[in-house]
This record gives sequence, C-alpha cells and structure tokens, in this order.
Amino acid sequence: GQQVQQSPSSLVLQEGENAELQCNFSSTATQLQWFYQSPGGSLVSLLSNPSGTKHTGRLTSTTVTKERRSSLHISSSQTTDSGTYLCAIKRGNYKYVFGAGTRLKVIA
Amino acid sequence: EAAVTQSPRNKVAVTGGKVTLSCNQTNNHNNMYWYRQDTGHGLRLIHYSYGAGSTEKGDIPDGYKASRPSQENFSLILELATPSQTSVYFCASGDGGQSNTEVFFGKGTRLTVV
Repeated sequence: GQQVQQSPSSLVLQEGENAELQCNFSSTATQLQWFYQSPGGSLVSLLSNPSGTKHTGRLTSTTVTKERRSSLHISSSQTTDSGTYLCAIKRGNYKYVFGAGTRLKVIA
Repeated sequence: EAAVTQSPRNKVAVTGGKVTLSCNQTNNHNNMYWYRQDTGHGLRLIHYSYGAGSTEKGDIPDGYKASRPSQENFSLILELATPSQTSVYFCASGDGGQSNTEVFFGKGTRLTVV
C-alpha cells in the first residue's frame, strides 16, 4: 500500500484564509520534509521536520513521530502560495518516499 | 545554497534511441537520486547512489540504467527509449546516514519519446 498519504488531494481557499495539509506515513521515517512545487516547476524544500514543531515565515509544521503523521499549516494564504505541496519521508539511510501531494489554489 | 543542475532541460527522443540525462551537484552530498514524475503517480524513485561508483535500483528501475562516475555526477541512461518513458525526470542530492539533513532537487528534464 501507499507509504505516504496526503490529504486533502486538493484545496481551494480565498486569499487570507489558513490552510491545513496532512501527511500520514506507514513506515518509520528518519526524516520528513515538506516541498512546494509550482505548476510545471521544480521542488523547493519548505521545511525539514522529523519531529516536533517548526516554524518558518507563515508556515508551521507539526510532526508526531509516534503517530506517524505530520501537518503543514499555512497562515494568511496568498495567491502566490498556489501550487502542489509534497510530503516526503526518508526510509533508512537513503530512500525518500513521496506522497501524491496536495494541490492548493488560492483565489483573490 | 545547495545546487543540483540537470541537463538537458528538454529532450525529444525517438523510440528505440538512446537517451542520457545528466545531473551535477555541488553540495558534496553522498547520495544522489533519479525520480520521474507523472500525473496520478507522483514522484517515483528510479535509481539512486550512495557514493561514487555505486548505483542501486529504486522502485521502478526497469528500462533504465544509472552511472555515478564521481561524487558530483549522476546520469540516467535509457538504452532503448519507449513512449512510456515520456515524463519529467528529477535529480536530487542529499546526505546519507540517519542524519537530519535535507534533499535538494534539480529543475527537472522534460523528456518526450515519440
């Protein structure tokens, strides 16, 4: 089965609203990373958070390792936040496994 | 700033032809990866390497070979390209071990096999 599941698969927000993205994983992870991908673009690392809570700018990630879940909170969304958000876990020393992503659309 | 450079950025190949995608990283990372991204499948690992001279099969290695001649360079080779290999390919680099380090991606190569 899928090792990394993300929800929701898509989300539409009005500018200024907050977004909550979820990532659940079925195997032990030595690292967890959130990425942003613009349409047709590359992946940009947002946050690396294998456990606990981390903040950067308008982003907050909370990972509960024992429960194998992580969330990414985007506050005061902007139209430029539109794109796909991907969660990836690192299994062992080498392999990263990705979720299918959450497509976010923020409308003005 | 971590840097991963892929070339070419776009490629059109004919069925049955040989295609080589190149990747260079200046991060001095041990690990390098090749992924493909397709609608409905997300990112899937093709091959990876944990150091110069090593290549390992990922989750979908069939039809692909990889080569890691140096710490900086990692190539993906399609000996006999097929239309099903039309995709966007991403190279990435990261540190090995159980470290709390990140992985960094190149800008991708869009490959079309006709």
